[in-house]
Amino acid sequence: AQSVAQPEDQVNVAEGNPLTVKCTYSVSGNPYLFWYVQYPNRGLQFLLKYITGDNLVKGSYGFEAEFNKSQTSFHLKKPSALVSDSALYFCAVRRDTNAGKSTFGDGTTLTVKP
Amino acid sequence: DTGVSQNPRHKITKRGQNVTFRCDPISEHNRLYWYRQTLGQGPEFLTYFQNEAQLEKSRLLSDRFSAERPKGSFSTLEIQRTEQGDSAMYLCASSFDRGLKIPSPLHFGNGTRLTVT
Repeated sequence: AQSVAQPEDQVNVAEGNPLTVKCTYSVSGNPYLFWYVQYPNRGLQFLLKYITGDNLVKGSYGFEAEFNKSQTSFHLKKPSALVSDSALYFCAVRRDTNAGKSTFGDGTTLTVKP
Repeated sequence: DTGVSQNPRHKITKRGQNVTFRCDPISEHNRLYWYRQTLGQGPEFLTYFQNEAQLEKSRLLSDRFSAERPKGSFSTLEIQRTEQGDSAMYLCASSFDRGLKIPSPLHFGNGTRLTVT
């Protein structure tokens, strides 16, 4: 079985401040981890993924995420938030096999205030 | 690359009726997924195909749900004898997986919103 927890329903930050959106996962074996973003009335869009190697991965729009195996976490970060980053963010996990199923968290709403 | 296309965008039906949704994936993608999303929840896995083969189906999926992907191109998701609890956004996604432990991200469509009255 595999699962994802996003402990915060909502994260509020001021524009220009750093942001963190938290994600922890549970999976048997090694994980593949993903972050997706959903803007209003738009489909989910891929931001970044972790497969193996460097624990800090960089993605689209200046986002990055840090993989921590001991804490089973994959937190999304950005050094300086923009108002346009306001959206719904989903973390997802997949086993490191050929299996296709990805399991998603319930999402975190990020609001960046000017 | 025209993206993943889902039709219809919205569907309102009465309880007990059957509904069918269509998904056209990105043309070169070999995998196609169906997810269901309700308000305040993340996408919930329903089933996925590799080419025309249905490789996994959620155990939570009732027998009223069936999906097909003839010829490995577009896919249809049918819900028979709809219930109010089926009201949700139904998402389709596609990916190109080479099966070499290099996972490809999912490309999602905009979804079909089903309302069962």
